[in-house]
Amino acid sequence: EAGVTQFPSHSVIEKGQTVTLRCDPISGHDNLYWYRRVMGKEIKFLLHFVKESKQDESGMPNNRFLAERTGGTYSTLKVQPAELEDSGVYFCASSRPGTGGNGYTFGSGTRLTVV
Amino acid sequence: GESVGLHLPTLSVQEGDNSIINCAYSNSASDYFIWYKQESGKGPQFIIDIRSNMDKRQGQRVTVLLNKTVKHLSLQIAATQPGDSAVYFCAENRGSSYKLIFGSGTRLLVRP
Repeated sequence: EAGVTQFPSHSVIEKGQTVTLRCDPISGHDNLYWYRRVMGKEIKFLLHFVKESKQDESGMPNNRFLAERTGGTYSTLKVQPAELEDSGVYFCASSRPGTGGNGYTFGSGTRLTVV
Repeated sequence: GESVGLHLPTLSVQEGDNSIINCAYSNSASDYFIWYKQESGKGPQFIIDIRSNMDKRQGQRVTVLLNKTVKHLSLQIAATQPGDSAVYFCAENRGSSYKLIFGSGTRLLVRP
């Protein structure tokens, strides 16, 4: 099966600009997650979709971050306006219905640099 | 590839030796644990998992040990190979939540 695809792989933007990251999960995977790794620290949970519904968004840092999954297929994560501390690698993962951590497939990530 | 933090603990081993990577977890309510391997430019890849009702689980060249008394997890890699060079993360999961809580990671360097 095709893996989880993230686009773009790299993005460099100026502070105050807007960036939209996209994730295409594996077909049939109802669960979609966003995580990020900032400044080489641990990977932190942002949110979890089940189909198009936000199941858990407890990790979203502030209202500059907006995640959507219209139609329950691909997802976007928008950062507006971007700040320097948003720099890091943003990972998306997906899993089948009813599966948790051992069923995750991660994408390769988007490296975001805010200058 | 991804820029890895300068503050990551690093384990350097000779090719062919065994590696042991350690992780302390935070919550005694966690009941499921996973080790992931992350190579440069790639996302985390599942290596092995263990549930809290076990204290040891073996895979191919890898073994995970769980000590719930001191909330400690370890990953043992036998006969370490150059392809094992990567950053290794432990992750914990609690109850019915699908959210993973990751540790800070350890970089493994394999010397030829």
